[in-house]
Amino acid sequence: ETGVTQSPTHLIKTRGQQVTLRCSSQSGHNTVSWYQQALGQGPQFIFQYYREEENGRGNFPPRFSGLQFPNYSSELNVNALELDDSALYLCASSLTGLGENTIYFGEGSWLTVV
Amino acid sequence: SQQGEEDPQALSIQEGENATMNCSYKTSINNLQWYRQNSGRGLVHLILIRSNEREKHSGRLRVTLDTSKKSSSLLITASRAADTASYFCATDGDTGANSKLTFGKGITLSVRP
Repeated sequence: ETGVTQSPTHLIKTRGQQVTLRCSSQSGHNTVSWYQQALGQGPQFIFQYYREEENGRGNFPPRFSGLQFPNYSSELNVNALELDDSALYLCASSLTGLGENTIYFGEGSWLTVV
Repeated sequence: SQQGEEDPQALSIQEGENATMNCSYKTSINNLQWYRQNSGRGLVHLILIRSNEREKHSGRLRVTLDTSKKSSSLLITASRAADTASYFCATDGDTGANSKLTFGKGITLSVRP
């Protein structure tokens, strides 16, 4: 149990639709990162939020966007869904500012685009 | 893009044997971490080794890091059936932030009872 919760756990969307995934970070953690993991691959960094600001972005198009709220929870939004967006989306929380700390991952949200 | 390349891609051993997994990476790092993932679930942090460290132990885990060869190995001693999972190495960048990780494709470990 990492204290990081994600919702929904599974969902199916149609190509062209929009999706919002949610993440509650571990208590006290101020940094949230999102990763996309396609089947049989390692996770790929999408972006990170620190104190409600985007703090780095991987090689993902602008239709992937996010938010971090004052309580440090976060959302990942994906517009104009494509079939290749089908993947496990992982949220990771950590505490930035006090040196290296363990990163805690949630169980993920499985997205299937049909 | 994937930074780490794990080797082998799949490993099958008998319970009680040791499992050795290797990881190579391409760019300079602050630290290297190993994670475990049970089928279709979230990642569990196993161990972190800093760029100025050469070896680290945690329970049945032993990690080595060779920055000159840009490689790391994870040894699991006295394996158990419950160790069956996928294992990933992940490196951070040189930005100082510790959660922008670059993962390899992973190694599938099967431990036969």
